[in-house]
Amino acid sequence: EAGVVQSPRYKIIEKKQPVAFWCNPISGHNTLYWYRQNLGQGPELLIRYENEEAVDDSQLPKDRFSAERLKGVDSTLKIQPAELGDSAVYLCASSSRQGGPLSSYNEQFFGPGTRLTVL
Amino acid sequence: QKEVEQDPGPLSVPEGAIVSLNCTYSNSAFQYFMWYRQYSRKGPELLMYTYSSGNKEDGRFTAQVDKSSKYISLFIRDSQPSDSATYLCAMSGDTGRRALTFGSGTRLQVQP
Repeated sequence: EAGVVQSPRYKIIEKKQPVAFWCNPISGHNTLYWYRQNLGQGPELLIRYENEEAVDDSQLPKDRFSAERLKGVDSTLKIQPAELGDSAVYLCASSSRQGGPLSSYNEQFFGPGTRLTVL
Repeated sequence: QKEVEQDPGPLSVPEGAIVSLNCTYSNSAFQYFMWYRQYSRKGPELLMYTYSSGNKEDGRFTAQVDKSSKYISLFIRDSQPSDSATYLCAMSGDTGRRALTFGSGTRLQVQP
């Protein structure tokens, strides 16, 4: 089974330019997450989707970031315009519908990430 | 102050050593405690998870959670060079459908 697919893997742009990242989650996973991982830090959530609905976007800088998951499958994260501080790895993750006992963890599977460098 | 604190290391040990990795946290609502391993240029992958307090063992790995102290640990026995990676603790107050709160990661180097 294919894992979470992200593209591009690397992107170098100049500040003030737009950039977009694409994610295809594991087949059948209805929950999709975008995280940002700064150098030497753990991932931090940007937005979480349940199917096509954004249910948690409180940490998304809405003045320059936008995301969509139109058909509840793949997703695109966009930055416009990019700033120097946006240089980071952007990780996509997915998980399946909640099920099982309370003690079971609904594992989030991560893609390899897109490494963005803003010059 | 961050919700989850983790010593960034780097931690360098000889092959065969026992490794202890730790995190502390401040949010008493956390119920699920995970350890992810991240190799360079890769996404994190789940190693183990524990629900509430207690111990869990899987091969060479043992995870411990002490909710009274808000302290979690991961022990690696008979460490191997292939264990060299960054280890991230992560926590959630709900099932894995909710966002995870990660520590900053500890970089581990196992010397052959």
